[in-house]
Amino acid sequence: GAVVSQHPSRVICKSGTSVKIECRSLDFQATTMFWYRQFPKQSLMLMATSNEGSKATYEQGVEKDKFLINHASLTLSTLTVTSAHPEDSSFYICSAAQGAGGGTDTQYFGPGTRLTVL
Amino acid sequence: SQQGEEDPQALSIQEGENATMNCSYKTSINNLQWYRQNSGRGLVHLILIRSNEREKHSGRLRVTLDTSKKSSSLLITASRAADTASYFCATVGNQFYFGTGTSLTVIP
Repeated sequence: GAVVSQHPSRVICKSGTSVKIECRSLDFQATTMFWYRQFPKQSLMLMATSNEGSKATYEQGVEKDKFLINHASLTLSTLTVTSAHPEDSSFYICSAAQGAGGGTDTQYFGPGTRLTVL
Repeated sequence: SQQGEEDPQALSIQEGENATMNCSYKTSINNLQWYRQNSGRGLVHLILIRSNEREKHSGRLRVTLDTSKKSSSLLITASRAADTASYFCATVGNQFYFGTGTSLTVIP
C-alpha cells in the first residue's frame, strides 16, 4: 500500500528557533498534501492544503507566515514552524493524496512528528 | 465548524464485549471514513463507507451510515485489549474533516 513518511518523528527545540518537518510519499506521486495539527487528547485539525508547485491554501486562523509550507515535488512537502514558541508544541501529521484529496480520493497519513518547544 | 462529533468521548469495556462509537456530522459527504490512532502515533485507516452505502463490514468491524440523520456508527465486536486506541471518523466532501474522537479502553 501507499506509504507516507515524516521526518523527524520527534523534535525538541528552543523558543525562537525554526523547525522543518518533511513529509514524503514513498511509492506514489502526491498531487496534494495536507498538514494537520493535533493537541493531546484532541482531534486532528486541518492546517493547510498544498499542491505541487503552487502556494498552499491555509485554513482560517492558521498563520501562513508562521507555518511555511513548500510542496516542491510530487513526493515531498515541508512544513516549517518559524520562530517557534511553547504554544506551537503539538503533534503534526501530514497526509498525501494522488488526486485532490477530497471526494472519493484516498489520503494516506504519515506517522506524525512530535514537536516540543522549550 | 464542519468537524464531526463523536460520542462517547471515552469508553471502557471488558475484553470480549462489543464497543460502539457514534459520529454525527453537519455537511453533505461523499464518503465517511473511520481511523484508529494509538497513543502518540499516526493514523491507521480502518474502513470507508460511501454515501450511497448503509452498512459495511470488515473483519470484526461493522460500520453503518445514515445520511438522513447525518450519522455513522462503528461497532467493534469481541473486543481485545489490543483494540485500545482512539477512534476518529472523518467526513469527506470537498475536504477531510475529522471528528472529535472516542478513546476506547479494553480491559483484559
